[in-house]
Amino acid sequence: DAGVIQSPRHEVTEMGQEVTLRCKPISGHNSLFWYRQTMMRGLELLIYFNNNVPIDDSGMPEDRFSAKMPNASFSTLKIQPSEPRDSAVYFCATMGARIYNEQFFGPGTRLTVL
Amino acid sequence: AQSVTQLGSHVSVSEGALVLLRCNYSSSVPPYLFWYVQYPNQGLQLLLKYTSAATLVKGINGFEAEFKKSETSFHLTKPSAHMSDAAEYFCAVSRGGSQGNLIFGKGTKLSVKP
Repeated sequence: DAGVIQSPRHEVTEMGQEVTLRCKPISGHNSLFWYRQTMMRGLELLIYFNNNVPIDDSGMPEDRFSAKMPNASFSTLKIQPSEPRDSAVYFCATMGARIYNEQFFGPGTRLTVL
Repeated sequence: AQSVTQLGSHVSVSEGALVLLRCNYSSSVPPYLFWYVQYPNQGLQLLLKYTSAATLVKGINGFEAEFKKSETSFHLTKPSAHMSDAAEYFCAVSRGGSQGNLIFGKGTKLSVKP
């Protein structure tokens, strides 16, 4: 299995631009999580989906952030408009059967907003 | 509610010395416990997990952790540090099933001196 796939790996954009981060979960995993990691705030859960349905988005910073999971094999996290304080590493993680709730992480997308 | 506390945001050891990273948890139900490792510029990788089978859990790269219910602890150890162990380590707790996701600690950055 290829593991969790995220794209792009690096993104540099200017303030005000729209940014879209993509995630392909491990096949068969039906829970998907988006995290943000910064030096100041550490690892933060932004939103998670079960069976493509958003369950908890209380960690989404503000309305500029939105996430979708149109099908079981694809999710996006969009920031519009982007701001310099959005600069961070964004991770996607997925989980299979809900027994121990172990998560598998992707390599992350490093976002820099100038 | 569940929570995790990692004592020490930064630990430094000499190569060949014992590694001890501390994790205490709070949980109202029997927990499942995890240690993840994050190498520079990479995603989080599962190091080991406790799922109530055995209290001493062995993981990858020579690491192990012991679940101590009386102390609500799940400390991570390695007898002899290697330079390649330099990374950030995250402790996490889950209540399992459909009721809980992973709750992460703030992480401990391990430095290994030659």
